[in-house]
Amino acid sequence: GQNIDQPTEMTATEGAIVQINCTYQTSGFNGLFWYQQHAGEAPTFLSYNVLDGLEEKGRFSSFLSRSKGYSYLLLKELQMKDSASYLCAVRDNGYSTLTFGKGTMLLVSP
Amino acid sequence: KAGVTQTPRYLIKTRGQQVTLSCSPISGHRSVSWYQQTPGQGLQFLFEYFSETQRNKGNFPGRFSGRQFSNSRSEMNVSTLELGDSALYLCASSLQGTALSGNTIYFGEGSWLTVV
Repeated sequence: GQNIDQPTEMTATEGAIVQINCTYQTSGFNGLFWYQQHAGEAPTFLSYNVLDGLEEKGRFSSFLSRSKGYSYLLLKELQMKDSASYLCAVRDNGYSTLTFGKGTMLLVSP
Repeated sequence: KAGVTQTPRYLIKTRGQQVTLSCSPISGHRSVSWYQQTPGQGLQFLFEYFSETQRNKGNFPGRFSGRQFSNSRSEMNVSTLELGDSALYLCASSLQGTALSGNTIYFGEGSWLTVV
């Protein structure tokens, strides 16, 4: 079956760095996505990893290890607006089908 | 360019009714997927269309159906609505919908459905 695990909640302080982990067990693997979702809004694309290693994009970085079924999203210089749910999703076949984790609710405090 | 557009944004239906939701993908995108999001289950895949053909389907009952038109616009329909169908329905589009192209999947704002 498909299983994607990520922590339910995390808290951090403004200006700090936070790492959100995601582990997955899927029947196939064709890329891992991270999305940000604010309450009542649609998921917004943050990053995509298909090869092992680190992808950096501004304050956000994402890492993938396919052999370990593991990814993390790193957020630097946290801002209050980063308070949101962060969704890890795996594309497990050749199409556009994504299997999502339940999401990690990040609360950034002053 | 315009993003993924979904209509209507909000709607309230009564149990037993049916509903049709519409999605216009990003211009040039040919793959459209639908997801249901609820607090308890998170985001769950409903179905995916490419070039008017359903390529993949999730584990939802037959009351949930969809289609895609030649201009890539898509609709999903839910018949005989149940209280548990209350959810945010999200549409996502991508360029070709294949992993080989490594293309990004973008979501629309969603349609909030409340069944009473």
